[in-house]
Amino acid sequence: GAGVSQTPSNKVTEKGKYVELRCDPISGHTALYWYRQSLGQGPEFLIYFQGTGAADDSGLPNDRFFAVRPEGSVSTLKIQRTERGDSAVYLCASSLASGPYNEQFFGPGTRLTVL
Amino acid sequence: KQEVTQIPAALSVPEGENLVLNCSFTDSAIYNLQWFRQDPGKGLTSLLLIQSSQREQTSGRLNASLDKSSGRSTLYIAASQPGDSATYLCAALYNQGGKLIFGQGTELSVKP
Repeated sequence: GAGVSQTPSNKVTEKGKYVELRCDPISGHTALYWYRQSLGQGPEFLIYFQGTGAADDSGLPNDRFFAVRPEGSVSTLKIQRTERGDSAVYLCASSLASGPYNEQFFGPGTRLTVL
Repeated sequence: KQEVTQIPAALSVPEGENLVLNCSFTDSAIYNLQWFRQDPGKGLTSLLLIQSSQREQTSGRLNASLDKSSGRSTLYIAASQPGDSATYLCAALYNQGGKLIFGQGTELSVKP
């Protein structure tokens, strides 16, 4: 079956621009997670959704970052006024439900480069 | 502070060798621990998930153990193959929601 998909796979933008990154979770998965991975590091948590609501957004670095999941399926991560330090791979994951008994399945990521 | 550490950062072994990858975590109150594989430029592939009440999980040539009291998990790979070359990441779940705390990863190279 189809796994988690993310678009675009690569995004190059200029400092100060606005970007949107999209995640399509596995069908039927109610929980969706966003992580950010810098070169040579493990992923860092940004936000997770249970259904349509953000259940934990404690990892968002500042108010330039925002994420939505209006219909409880596809999610969009939005970054305003991008900075060079935002360059990273943005990973999305989904699980059947949130909680400790549910494996998270990851997408291939979107590589964001801010020039 | 809840932290996950993986040492070494890189490991090179000859084909056929059995090997152990290490993962340590600072807070024993984890709900589960998950091991992932990441190939260059790719996303993460889940390998094994160990619940806090379990001691180990096995899948094929892989065996993961969990010792909460010492704050350690190991991933054992038997009879390593060049195709096992990748970065291996462990991640701990500290709350019921789903926020994973990742280690930095161990980059494994298996030489033919």
